Amino acid sequence: KNQVEQSPQSLIILEGKNCTLQCNYTVSPFSNLRWYKQDTGRGPVSLTIMTFSENTKSNGRYTATLDADTKQSSLHITASQLSDSASYICVVRSSGYALNFGKGTSLLVTP
Amino acid sequence: DADVTQTPRNRITKTGKRIMLECSQTKGHDRMYWYRQDPGLGLRLIYYSFDVKDINKGEISDGYSVSRQAQAKFSLSLESAIPNQTALYFCATSDRLAGGDETQYFGPGTRLLVL
Repeated sequence: KNQVEQSPQSLIILEGKNCTLQCNYTVSPFSNLRWYKQDTGRGPVSLTIMTFSENTKSNGRYTATLDADTKQSSLHITASQLSDSASYICVVRSSGYALNFGKGTSLLVTP
Repeated sequence: DADVTQTPRNRITKTGKRIMLECSQTKGHDRMYWYRQDPGLGLRLIYYSFDVKDINKGEISDGYSVSRQAQAKFSLSLESAIPNQTALYFCATSDRLAGGDETQYFGPGTRLLVL
């Protein structure tokens, strides 16, 4: 069964600190992996997309990594800001149309 | 995102009532989707449509129906609402791109409470 597991479930950090969110998947075959940011009361917004051949991709203070051999991805947030408080969702696409959603990591950045 | 709108944003209804959630988009995308999100669970696909004449069931379509009235409009109906359909519902759109790299753009969500 295709699964996407995210950890930690929730995280609290101080403003200005860095953090790393994890995503492990068992999806096969693998097409691509996305990280979405979902602010409270809003729909998810795509941050990055990574394909099999990509190891690292950055979007501002967000850096995603992918290890397709171990089926692991991480999202690193540098110099966190209060506006980074949100849920971060890992989504893995399989063949055809199938999308597999993780349950998300809830991040709270405090002053 | 303003390009994808959902109405209503919040709805309270009673068990057994029929309700409709509506989604409109101005992005010109062919593909539209309905998801539900429950606390502690990932987004789950209810139905999707790749063009006006195309309707496909997702993983949790039981108890729901959809209508694709036009390229820009995709509505979700609960024929007889039940309490376990209480959830946050999202509409999404995407454009057709080769290689499966298409980005989905989500609406702001409809919070539904079934009493």
